[in-house]
Amino acid sequence: AQKVTQAQTEISVVEKEDVTLDCVYETRDTTYYLFWYKQPPSGELVFLIRRNSFDEQNEISGRYSWNFQKSTSSFNFTITASQVVDSAVYFCALRNFNKFYFGSGTKLNVKP
Amino acid sequence: EAQVTQNPRYLITVTGKKLTVTCSQNMNHEYMSWYRQDPGLGLRQIYYSMNVEVTDKGDVPEGYKVSRKEKRNFPLILESPSPNQTSLYFCASSLIGGRGTEAFFGQGTRLTVV
Repeated sequence: AQKVTQAQTEISVVEKEDVTLDCVYETRDTTYYLFWYKQPPSGELVFLIRRNSFDEQNEISGRYSWNFQKSTSSFNFTITASQVVDSAVYFCALRNFNKFYFGSGTKLNVKP
Repeated sequence: EAQVTQNPRYLITVTGKKLTVTCSQNMNHEYMSWYRQDPGLGLRQIYYSMNVEVTDKGDVPEGYKVSRKEKRNFPLILESPSPNQTSLYFCASSLIGGRGTEAFFGQGTRLTVV
């Protein structure tokens, strides 16, 4: 069975703190894709990053970085020097060939 | 501009009154899908379509129907809505594989069934 777990329901930090959002997945497929999406208070879903199962390279994009570890089935997301604009719900998702599975989301509150 | 368009954005309806939420994409994507978002549950897939005339159930298909007569359109039909279908609905499209597997989402439809 496929499953994505985001154990952190809600996180609150003060601006400029670093914060890591955890994502653990389960799948028996050898080919799969992992994603992170951001849902700001306005409600739309914004794509942040994609990783396929054969690409374990970590990635950094500005203040965002992602750590993909197949050995622990984790795909964690770190925001460095958080800002108020980072306040949102973040979803981790898994895709096999034909279906998507989303975690329950982590609400990040960044306080000034 | 590449986009997925859903309509309406907001809808209040009564129990049992059939409704359709439309979804259209202009990216020539083969794959389209519908999700509902409920507090604490994240997004759950209702139905998906791999191509024209090819649809299949997601994890929560009960009470919903879909059709894919054209590649760009994937409407969601609630034949007899019930209050437990009150939710935020998203349509999405994507390529099937390769480097374009991420889903592009519409703006969402907030449905209230009273």
